[in-house]
Amino acid sequence: AQSVTQLGSHVSVSEGALVLLRCNYSSSVPPYLFWYVQYPNQGLQLLLKYTSAATLVKGINGFEAEFKKSETSFHLTKPSAHMSDAAEYFCAVTTYSSASKIIFGSGTRLSIRP
Amino acid sequence: EAQVTQNPRYLITVTGKKLTVTCSQNMNHEYMSWYRQDPGLGLRQIYYSMNVEVTDKGDVPEGYKVSRKEKRNFPLILESPSPNQTSLYFCASRREAPPDTQYFGPGTRLTVL
Repeated sequence: AQSVTQLGSHVSVSEGALVLLRCNYSSSVPPYLFWYVQYPNQGLQLLLKYTSAATLVKGINGFEAEFKKSETSFHLTKPSAHMSDAAEYFCAVTTYSSASKIIFGSGTRLSIRP
Repeated sequence: EAQVTQNPRYLITVTGKKLTVTCSQNMNHEYMSWYRQDPGLGLRQIYYSMNVEVTDKGDVPEGYKVSRKEKRNFPLILESPSPNQTSLYFCASRREAPPDTQYFGPGTRLTVL
């Protein structure tokens, strides 16, 4: 079975500061990992995904995440926050063998201070 | 435009009154799922479908029904809604097994009084 834990339900950073959203996963087989973003009153949109090709994954809007097997982590980062990054972010895990079951974290709300 | 649509977007109803939330995708995707989103709990899968006439329970299926008679449509049925089903619901679809990208609808906010 898989699980995912997002540390921090709310993160606040200043505009221009580093964004770091934490995600730890648990999986007994090689995982696929995803980060989704949800803007207010909208559905979820894929930011990036790890599919075992490269451990450093680059996504849209300047976000990237690094898969660290030894730490069972897949933290999301962005060097410089913009006001438009304010949203809720979800980490998710699945595996090839559990094709239809995708487990989502509880979400992290990112606020940007002017 | 490739998209997943849901209707209605907002619904207020009363306990016990049957309702259906429709979901349709125009991308010819095999896989479709329904999720509910509750504060502090993230998204939890209600039901999923891997193809026409093939459906299975997710993590929180109690009180819900689904059907997949056509590839593009995957309605969510609440036969007798209760207040604990007040939530934000999302339909999603993807073409094939992971790690294929899942596309989400805009959501349906349901309130059961």
